Order: sequence, then structure tokens, then C-alpha cells
Amino acid sequence: KAGVTQTPRYLIKTRGQQVTLSCSPISGHRSVSWYQQTPGQGLQFLFEYFSETQRNKGNFPGRFSGRQFSNSRSEMNVSTLELGDSALYLCASSPQGGQLNIQYFGAGTRLSVL
Amino acid sequence: AQKVTQAQTEISVVEKEDVTLDCVYETRDTTYYLFWYKQPPSGELVFLIRRNSFDEQNEISGRYSWNFQKSTSSFNFTITASQVVDSAVYFCALSEASFGNEKLTFGTGTRLTIIP
Repeated sequence: KAGVTQTPRYLIKTRGQQVTLSCSPISGHRSVSWYQQTPGQGLQFLFEYFSETQRNKGNFPGRFSGRQFSNSRSEMNVSTLELGDSALYLCASSPQGGQLNIQYFGAGTRLSVL
Repeated sequence: AQKVTQAQTEISVVEKEDVTLDCVYETRDTTYYLFWYKQPPSGELVFLIRRNSFDEQNEISGRYSWNFQKSTSSFNFTITASQVVDSAVYFCALSEASFGNEKLTFGTGTRLTIIP
């Protein structure tokens, strides 16, 4: 069974641009969560999608958005990039959502903003 | 608010030594889950264990063992007879146990280096 797949693995953008990251969950998983990992702030929860609806949201500005498609694949978008958005963005999936289930993580997308 | 503290930023031990990674948590929830994840250099977070707040039994899986003590709000992780492949960053995490809440609150991680 394939794991969580995130594309691309690496991205370089400049300030002011926007970026879209993609996450394909494990087959059969319906919940997808996104996390940002930086040396200064550590791992922080961005948002979670379940059945194409955002169910939970962390404390990030509106420049960070996401969506989920009917096949459970998810995308995350960051608009008007800032230097501080440089981070490893991790996606996690779980079967039905809720902490009865375990979140399985992808290898992440490393975003560098110049 | 939930909080997870991993006071050990970095630990180095010689191969075959035992090592314990500490995790202390804070929550007002009466029901919650605790997790440990491993992050090798590849970046992916690898799930190791989940424990719910009602189950204080210690768990052993091969060379890994976990000690959950609700009285001290700690969930420590011990690796016995460490190996070089154990070198990674280890994260302790906490979540509510309510359906529909996927948010994991992570500690800052402990970087473990096993010296051959």
C-alpha cells in the first residue's frame, strides 16, 4: 500500500509569489491534515480536511488556504509569500478522521522563499 | 491549551547504550491521546506509538518501550541497546480524544545521535 505522497519535494519561490502544494493520502483515507515545520516554531498545525470540508484550522493568516477533492487528494496554497514561509510542509492522512485513527505523514515539501 | 515539553534538545550516546527521551505534557482535557513520532533525515514523520489517557500500562515493542505516568504528566520513551539506525529526531505529541479533532500538538523534538 502506497504511503502519503507529497509533490513537489522541493520548491524555490520569491517573495510575493504564490505556491500550491499537493498531497495524495493513503488509499482509503479520508482525512488530510497539513503542518508547517520550521526551526524556530517547530511543528505547527495548519488545517485539516475531511470529505472536502475544512474541519479544523490552526492559527495561520488567511494567506494559507487549502482544499480537498472528492478523491481525498488535498492541495495547500500560500499566497503573497514571505521569507518566513520558508519551511517543510508536511501532510498527514488518517482513515476517517478523529483521534480514533492515527495520522500517517508524507516526506514533505521543502519550500524556500528568497 | 495543550502543551508538550521535550526538555532534551540533543542527546548523543554510544551504540548499544540505553537512552530515554523525556516528554512532559499539559492539558485540561480528561481524555486525550499521546504519540511518539520519529523523523529521520528524509523528513517523513514515522508513527511509533499512540497511548490514550485511560491506559497507563507501559508498552514494549522490541527495543522500544514507553512509560506513561499520568500523575506526573509524562510519557517517556526508552530505546534499549541503541543502534545507529535509531539516529533521528523524535517528537512527542498530544491530541484531544474528541471525534473530528485531528490537531496534533507537538513538542520541539529531541535529536538523538547514536555514535558507532
